[in-house]
Amino acid sequence: GDKVKQSPSALSLQEGTNSALRCNFSIAATTVQWFLQNPRGSLINLFYLVPGTKENGRLKSAFDSKESYSTLHIRDAQLEDSGTYFCAAEGGMLSGSFNKLTFGAGTRLAVCP
Amino acid sequence: EAAVTQSPRSKVAVTGGKVTLSCHQTNNHDYMYWYRQDTGHGLRLIHYSYVADSTEKGDIPDGYKASRPSQENFSLILELASLSQTAVYFCASSDGQANTEVFFGKGTRLTVV
Repeated sequence: GDKVKQSPSALSLQEGTNSALRCNFSIAATTVQWFLQNPRGSLINLFYLVPGTKENGRLKSAFDSKESYSTLHIRDAQLEDSGTYFCAAEGGMLSGSFNKLTFGAGTRLAVCP
Repeated sequence: EAAVTQSPRSKVAVTGGKVTLSCHQTNNHDYMYWYRQDTGHGLRLIHYSYVADSTEKGDIPDGYKASRPSQENFSLILELASLSQTAVYFCASSDGQANTEVFFGKGTRLTVV
């Protein structure tokens, strides 16, 4: 099965509203990264997380390694937030995923006026 | 900020032909990676390297070779391109030491006809 499961697979938001994206891991993740793939296809680094939380502007992310999940919260969604959000997990030295990212399938987000 | 540059940015290749995708990083990073993305999906690891003159197989290495002639350069080689290798290919690098954050290039769109 999928080692990194993202939900939802697609989401439509009204401008100005809030939402949360989630990743569940079936590998022993030690770090998590969140990326936004913009409409031109570039991958933009949003967060690099060890267990804990980080915040950057309207975005906030949390990673709980014991419960094997990570979340990305978007506050006051803007049109430019549209794109595909990917989470990716790195495993520990014994996991076979050390220094290698395993990606989820992504969440396609459309922000509408 | 991390700088990973890929060339070419797009390529059309004929079935059975040889294709070489190139990647150059100026981050002084030890780790370099090649990922492939199929339309509507996440990224999957093809090959990676943690030191010059050495490469390792990722999750989907069949049909691909890699070459790391120097710390800065990492190539992906398709000896006999096939239709199923049509995809977008991303190169990435990371320090791989205390901070394992991965930084991606802008991608190469490969179409095999």
